[in-house]
Amino acid sequence: AQSVTQLGSHVSVSEGALVLLRCNYSSSVPPYLFWYVQYPNQGLQLLLKYTTGATLVKGINGFEAEFKKSETSFHLTKPSAHMSDAAEYFCAVYFGNEKLTFGTGTRLTIIP
Amino acid sequence: DAGITQSPRHKVTETGTPVTLRCHQTENHRYMYWYRQDPGHGLRLIHYSYGVKDTDKGEVSDGYSVSRSKTEDFLLTLESATSSQTSVYFCASADYNEQFFGPGTRLTVL
Repeated sequence: AQSVTQLGSHVSVSEGALVLLRCNYSSSVPPYLFWYVQYPNQGLQLLLKYTTGATLVKGINGFEAEFKKSETSFHLTKPSAHMSDAAEYFCAVYFGNEKLTFGTGTRLTIIP
Repeated sequence: DAGITQSPRHKVTETGTPVTLRCHQTENHRYMYWYRQDPGHGLRLIHYSYGVKDTDKGEVSDGYSVSRSKTEDFLLTLESATSSQTSVYFCASADYNEQFFGPGTRLTVL
């Protein structure tokens, strides 16, 4: 079955440290991949997406993600965390069936 | 940003009463979706629409129905609300695979 797994429901990093949020999917067909961010009491906002082409994708707010087909992964990174990055992050995958499949989310806490 | 609004934004209702949530988009997107968000479950798809009067079930459709009579509007109805339907409901629309989300409706069923 097609699925999306986000490792770690909660991640804490110090301000200025590297942010790494993990996402793996199960599919034999290369999908389209997305990261969304949700700030408290708001809807989801697209951070970045991979459809075709370059496997390293840059998004808003200094985030980037790399599609690794051999590892079926699409991990999200940011070199230096900022307090404003505190939010919940969702990985989502389009498997070609008119729907997005979401991971269960990772809540990112930034330690001052 | 895609113009997607949801109404109401907050609602408190009693068990057994019908509830309708409305989603309105101004982008002329073909696809529209209803999700519920609960702690530990992320977003789960309730129903979606791939055109006017064309809808299909998602993974948690029991107890919910939808209607889409116009491109811009997608209604979610709880025929007889239960406490297990207390949740935050999000609507989204898409032209292809990138979805744009509304601000959400917080529903409490007492």
